[in-house]
Amino acid sequence: QVQLVQSGAEVKKPGASVRVSCKTSGYTFSDYYIHWVRQAPRQGLEWMGRINPNSGGTNYAQKFQGRVTMTRDTSISTAYMELTRLSSDDTAVYYCARVLSIIQGALGYWGQGTLVTVSS
Amino acid sequence: EIVLTQSPGTLSLSPGERATLSCRASQSVSSSYLAWYQQKPGQAPRLLIYGASSRATGIPDRFSGSGSGTDFILTISRLEPEDFAVYYCHHYGSFRTFGQGTKVEIK
Repeated sequence: QVQLVQSGAEVKKPGASVRVSCKTSGYTFSDYYIHWVRQAPRQGLEWMGRINPNSGGTNYAQKFQGRVTMTRDTSISTAYMELTRLSSDDTAVYYCARVLSIIQGALGYWGQGTLVTVSS
Repeated sequence: EIVLTQSPGTLSLSPGERATLSCRASQSVSSSYLAWYQQKPGQAPRLLIYGASSRATGIPDRFSGSGSGTDFILTISRLEPEDFAVYYCHHYGSFRTFGQGTKVEIK
């Protein structure tokens, strides 16, 4: 079965960077885009961007351009999201998610989420 | 940038009642790229509907989606206790956006 397992919670100081990992299993990693979505406390969902695990190509939401980098390691079927220059506004649960199918881009499979807390 | 506006913000209903949730886009979108998710506290979102009207695997048939252009609807025909949650619509074109959510709470 398809599984996405994310790294554990992080506490960071303002100005620092954080990298969250998303280890996948149960399917061919290179075949399906991975997206990153975040959710601030008591807020809605916010799309951050996506990576094509086959090519490494990325698309980022304009809000995060210049601060976010999405990468992948195909040898271990893992995607990464790094966010730099953190502020308290970046405190959120970060999710990775896989598209439903090669031709259907809805987010059908989700990781469990990683809480990132930014605090001095 | 496409903005999705969901209404109402909160829907207070009793088990067994019908829920109708709205999602309005700021410009016309392809129904092929409109999804609905359910989220319960402390959990990741779960895909309910994709392509505006197709149910994801394992989703009960009391959930249905409809609409086109700028107006989309998620209907829960008869609310079960486990359906009380927050629901998000999502446009998944080249760049993606979510609605702000509708909370379905027990009246």
